[in-house]
Amino acid sequence: KNQVEQSPQSLIILEGKNCTLQCNYTVSPFSNLRWYKQDTGRGPVSLTIMTFSENTKSNGRYTATLDADTKQSSLHITASQLSDSASYICVVSGSCAGNNRKLIWGLGTSLAVNP
Amino acid sequence: DTGVSQNPRHKITKRGQNVTFRCDPISEHNRLYWYRQTLGQGPEFLTYFQNEAQLEKSRLLSDRFSAERPKGSFSTLEIQRTEQGDSAMYLCASSRNGQRNTGELFFGEGSRLTVL
Repeated sequence: KNQVEQSPQSLIILEGKNCTLQCNYTVSPFSNLRWYKQDTGRGPVSLTIMTFSENTKSNGRYTATLDADTKQSSLHITASQLSDSASYICVVSGSCAGNNRKLIWGLGTSLAVNP
Repeated sequence: DTGVSQNPRHKITKRGQNVTFRCDPISEHNRLYWYRQTLGQGPEFLTYFQNEAQLEKSRLLSDRFSAERPKGSFSTLEIQRTEQGDSAMYLCASSRNGQRNTGELFFGEGSRLTVL
């Protein structure tokens, strides 16, 4: 069964600290893996998107890694800010590139950054 | 702002009424998607268009739901005879289709529906 599992379910950190969120998937075939940030009551915003040949990709203070052999990904947030408080969702595309009908969504990690 | 635009942002309606949501995608994007998201869950695929053609509809899209994209630009999602179970956030997203394109999705802010 195609699944995307994220951990931890929720996380509280202090402003300025770093954190790492985990994503394990069992999706086949695999096209790409995406990380989205979703603020409460708003639409998801894309942070990174990686194909199987990419091991790491950065977007500002966000760095995603992908190990296609172990089917694991992580999202590292550096020097957290209060505005980083949101849900971070790992999404795996299980079909050919460009096709967004077969996206498998994780349940997200709820991150709270406290002052 | 050249992002995906959705309206209304919030809609409260009584059970049995019809509602319509509009989505204006990023102008050069030829693919448009509708998703539904309930609290604590990831978005569920409803339907998608390539230009004006509706290429796929999820089984979640009952006969009370209809979506159109008449000129290949904006799209509307209509729900007829709303039920309380229709209460959710309705998200629109667009992407650019292409062989070398990963199909990155750009989402709108969503239209939150509350059916009383």
